[in-house]
Amino acid sequence: AQSVTQPDIHITVSEGASLELRCNYSYGATPYLFWYVQSPGQGLQLLLKYFSGDTLVQGIKGFEAEFKRSQSSFNLRKPSVHWSDAAEYFCAVGSTSAGNQFYFGTGTSLTVIP
Amino acid sequence: GAVVSQHPSRVICKSGTSVKIECRSLDFQATTMFWYRQFPKQSLMLMATSNEGSKATYEQGVEKDKFLINHASLTLSTLTVTSAHPEDSSFYICSAQRRVGELFFGEGSRLTVL
Repeated sequence: AQSVTQPDIHITVSEGASLELRCNYSYGATPYLFWYVQSPGQGLQLLLKYFSGDTLVQGIKGFEAEFKRSQSSFNLRKPSVHWSDAAEYFCAVGSTSAGNQFYFGTGTSLTVIP
Repeated sequence: GAVVSQHPSRVICKSGTSVKIECRSLDFQATTMFWYRQFPKQSLMLMATSNEGSKATYEQGVEKDKFLINHASLTLSTLTVTSAHPEDSSFYICSAQRRVGELFFGEGSRLTVL
C-alpha cells in the first residue's frame, strides 16, 4: 500500500538559514511526487512536482526537491528561508495506477524566527 | 495557474441540518475531483473521488449516505454533509484534476456544527 512519511512534525529555523524537510514514501510503482504548502485556514498550493527525468526539480518561491529512488525520499530544500515561508508543508504521492488519487503525509509545520 | 473555487469558505450550522459545499474549476474542465477532510494539525484524508457523470468512489470508512457527492458537470462537484453533527466539524478541501498528476486545490471550507 502507498504511504507517505514526514518524520518531522515541527521545524524551527532562523530567517536566512537553510531548510530541509524530509519525505519518504512507500509505493509499488514509480510514483508522482509533490510538495504542497498550506497557510493557516487556506487551501494547498503546489510548490513543485516530480514525474520523471531530472531528479532535482525546481519549484516556486525558491524551493527545490530531490528524488532519490534508492532512499525512497523526496526531500524539500531551500537555501535561505524567509519569514513568509512559515506554513504547513505536505508531501504527497500519486499515481495513475491508484485511480489518480493523491495520498498525503502528515505534514511538517515550519516556524521561522527572526 | 488554474483556479479552483470552493464555496462557502466558512459555514456554521445546527446539528441535524444538511450543508452543501461546492467545488468549481473556473478555467478548466475536470472529469475527476477529490474531496478531502482535514482535522486540526493533521494531514488531508482522502474521502472520495468524484467522477463526472458517475457515482463517487468512497474511501474505506467514509459513510456515503452521510457525505453525498454529486459531480453534475465538468466544472462542478458538490459535497453535502447530511444530518450534520458536531463530530463532522472539520476543514473540507476539494481538488480538481486538469490532467493526470496535475491537481489544483480549492481554498477549503470550514464547517462548524453546533
